[in-house]
This record gives sequence, C-alpha cells and structure tokens, in this order.
Amino acid sequence: DAKTTQPNSMESNEEEPVHLPCNHSTISGTDYIHWYRQLPSQGPEYVIHGLTSNVNNRMASLAIAEDRKSSTLILHRATLRDAAVYYCILYQGTYKYIFGTGTRLKVLA
Amino acid sequence: NAGVTQTPKFRILKIGQSMTLQCTQDMNHNYMYWYRQDPGMGLKLIYYSVGAGITDKGEVPNGYNVSRSTTEDFPLRLELAAPSQTSVYFCASSRNMPDTQYFGPGTRLTVL
Repeated sequence: DAKTTQPNSMESNEEEPVHLPCNHSTISGTDYIHWYRQLPSQGPEYVIHGLTSNVNNRMASLAIAEDRKSSTLILHRATLRDAAVYYCILYQGTYKYIFGTGTRLKVLA
Repeated sequence: NAGVTQTPKFRILKIGQSMTLQCTQDMNHNYMYWYRQDPGMGLKLIYYSVGAGITDKGEVPNGYNVSRSTTEDFPLRLELAAPSQTSVYFCASSRNMPDTQYFGPGTRLTVL
C-alpha cells in the first residue's frame, strides 16, 4: 500500500492561513488524494479530495504538486474550531482507506 | 437525516465476553465500514461491505465478525473479548468509492 508522510504536529495563529503538507512519493497515476479531519472525541469528517488538479471547496483548498508526489491542504483562515488531527489518505481503488497518524493542528488565539 | 448512528456509546467487557456493536445509516449508502482507533493512532479498517450480503476483511479482522443483511445495518460482533480489543470503534458509510465517507460518533470499548 502506498504510504503518506505528514508532520506530527503544527501550530497556527487564529485567522491566519495554514498549510498542511503531505508527502506521497509512491503514489500511482490512479490514486486519489483525500483529506479528512478528526475533531476531539468525534469521528473523522471529510475535508476535500483530488486527483491531479488543485481543488477548492468551502472548507479548504488542496494544492497537488505537478509530479503528484506531494500535496498541501490549505485552510485560508484558521479558527479555533479547526483544531483537529488532519489525515492525508491515498485511495487506491481497493475499497479502503489507509489512515496514517495525521497532523495535529493547534490553533492559537 | 440522522446519518450514521452507533450504539452503545461506551461499554466495559470482561475478558471472554461477547458483544455486538450496532451501526445504522439512513442515507441508503451501498458501502459500509468498521474501523478501530487505538490511542494516539490513526484508524485501521476491520471489515467493509459493498452491499447487502457482501462483506470482506480489512487490515485487522481477527477476533471480529460482521454481517450485512440489510442496506441500513452493519453490526460488528466480538466473540471472545480480549484486552487488545480495547479501542474506539467507528462505523462509516459511503455512496460509492472513492466517495465521501460519513462516520458515526464511535463506541468506546474497554476490555478488562
């Protein structure tokens, strides 16, 4: 299974942009890149996903490198409610996600 | 829509006891999943189902069983509880794959 690598933790100030990196150097051409986040004591929730092009939705943006070996989740203005563990996941067409340990984002007031 | 519901929220079991974790979704999703999450770790897939009557193993299926007799329900059975099964269990569903997975609130299980 292809693996993703994320920093264990990051900090951001409230109302500033946050860039959460993810490396996936063994990605193959048909693997989708998904991001989920898990708020404290809750189940994960979907954030965004993409294949090759950059993607935007109301929660975040996803920037995918041209060689697809890395991607960055961008939160445009972090709020205290964005404090969570963010998971970068490769979907490889086998009906399953492989969750790593994610990045714990701390947002400072 | 209630989404994905799980019962119970918490449970303490003694070693060797059995129990069923219930999961129900009201979104008419074909795909359903069971994950476990150990402290400080990411989620690991236990079993999944692509439709009523069809189930398959995930990464960590040992010690668990599942069934899928209806689209809505996907119960997870622990036959002989062991301390290694102490974890938080999440059920999820999706319309298709790859597609957004919707997670339930989780069941916190302790085996003593």
